[in-house]
Amino acid sequence: DTGVSQNPRHKITKRGQNVTFRCDPISEHNRLYWYRQTLGQGPEFLTYFQNEAQLEKSRLLSDRFSAERPKGSFSTLEIQRTEQGDSAMYLCASSPVSSGRTGELFFGEGSRLTVL
Amino acid sequence: DQQVKQNSPSLSVQEGRISILNCDYTNSMFDYFLWYKKYPAEGPTFLISISSIKDKNEDGRFTVFLNKSAKHLSLHIVPSQPGDSAVYFCAESTDKLIFGTGTRLQVFP
Repeated sequence: DTGVSQNPRHKITKRGQNVTFRCDPISEHNRLYWYRQTLGQGPEFLTYFQNEAQLEKSRLLSDRFSAERPKGSFSTLEIQRTEQGDSAMYLCASSPVSSGRTGELFFGEGSRLTVL
Repeated sequence: DQQVKQNSPSLSVQEGRISILNCDYTNSMFDYFLWYKKYPAEGPTFLISISSIKDKNEDGRFTVFLNKSAKHLSLHIVPSQPGDSAVYFCAESTDKLIFGTGTRLQVFP
């Protein structure tokens, strides 16, 4: 399978715990994006990388959220001191640089976070 | 303030008829508009796009229309098929995508 892979697919945690999600993009894609989707809403942009550089972060990404892409390959999204409002589907997408402005992103199946 | 709006949360269409999904936007400084389709338990998948310099783009059963003066985008699916039943998101693209809230399309036999 050469698509975007996300792990874990589902995480249930207690309020105050830290969680980490991993995304493995399509291998030749330079850009990697993180989005969050809640029920009844469209995906909301969180951050994106070009290779290992984090080029933009949304105001939605509070200090409790951190994303890394250390070697320009896989990426991790960590949420510290989780709150119930963090419950959502976290989507990762990748694209080659050439399609970054055309918007043709390839999404993974998402990691669903439930905070109790 | 929502930059991309899909005012119809759901749409039900009979198989073989035309489905028309609508989207309004506020920001005129975009490069492309896109439509994505999402099935349950899957990530969104790209469907069709249109450049800001065009007013129509067609791909098989799918046609997207862009009315820049009205800041309005629409997706036409004809003929509609049961497999088209999904949530459809419009999105504007600069360096990232800004999505609308989605419209759930149900195509019934």
